Amino acid sequence: AQTVTQSQPEMSVQEAETVTLSCTYDTSESNYYLFWYKQPPSRQMILVIRQEAYKQQNATENRFSVNFQKAAKSFSLKISDSQLGDTAMYFCAFMKRAGGTSYGKLTFGQGTILTVHP
Amino acid sequence: DVKVTQSSRYLVKRTGEKVFLECVQDMDHENMFWYRQDPGLGLRLIYFSYDVKMKEKGDIPEGYSVSREKKERFSLILESASTNQTSMYLCASTPTGREAHYEQYFGPGTRLTVT
Repeated sequence: AQTVTQSQPEMSVQEAETVTLSCTYDTSESNYYLFWYKQPPSRQMILVIRQEAYKQQNATENRFSVNFQKAAKSFSLKISDSQLGDTAMYFCAFMKRAGGTSYGKLTFGQGTILTVHP
Repeated sequence: DVKVTQSSRYLVKRTGEKVFLECVQDMDHENMFWYRQDPGLGLRLIYFSYDVKMKEKGDIPEGYSVSREKKERFSLILESASTNQTSMYLCASTPTGREAHYEQYFGPGTRLTVT
């Protein structure tokens, strides 16, 4: 079984600054995917960024990037030039890469509430 | 855009009532999921379905059942609601196969209060 741990229940950052959210995971799998999802207040959960474990290069999506350390089982999210709209709950999630029919099951961390202050 | 809708945003039920939460997706996805979200615990998988009439238990299925009679609709059933089932319930869907590895699409959630 996989576990995902987010050790920061809450974080805050000033607008335009950079913040890093931490995530560690435990698995015996060698092929898997890691995700960061964002849940804005009273709005739907959306995907922020995705990392394939067999790729060494860290994923980047505009102001969002990850630091993926496979050996350390660490997957942090860096948000650059923070904006007020980044205020949300952020979840780290793990998905095993299954062969054949894949159901896409996710295992989530506890979440980190990020507040961006003007 | 993929759209996942849930029948209610807020629901208040009494202990012992039978509760139905419904989820509908419009992208012909094979896989559908029900999670509950609690502070400090994140999202935990209750049940998922990989085809019509097919289902598998997730991590916390006790006290819940599901129904999937049509591909687009996945229902979560609380047979006899209890106060410890007060929570936010999220539905999600993905296609099957390789595309399942890309993204889960979530509904807006139903905040259920059991009194």
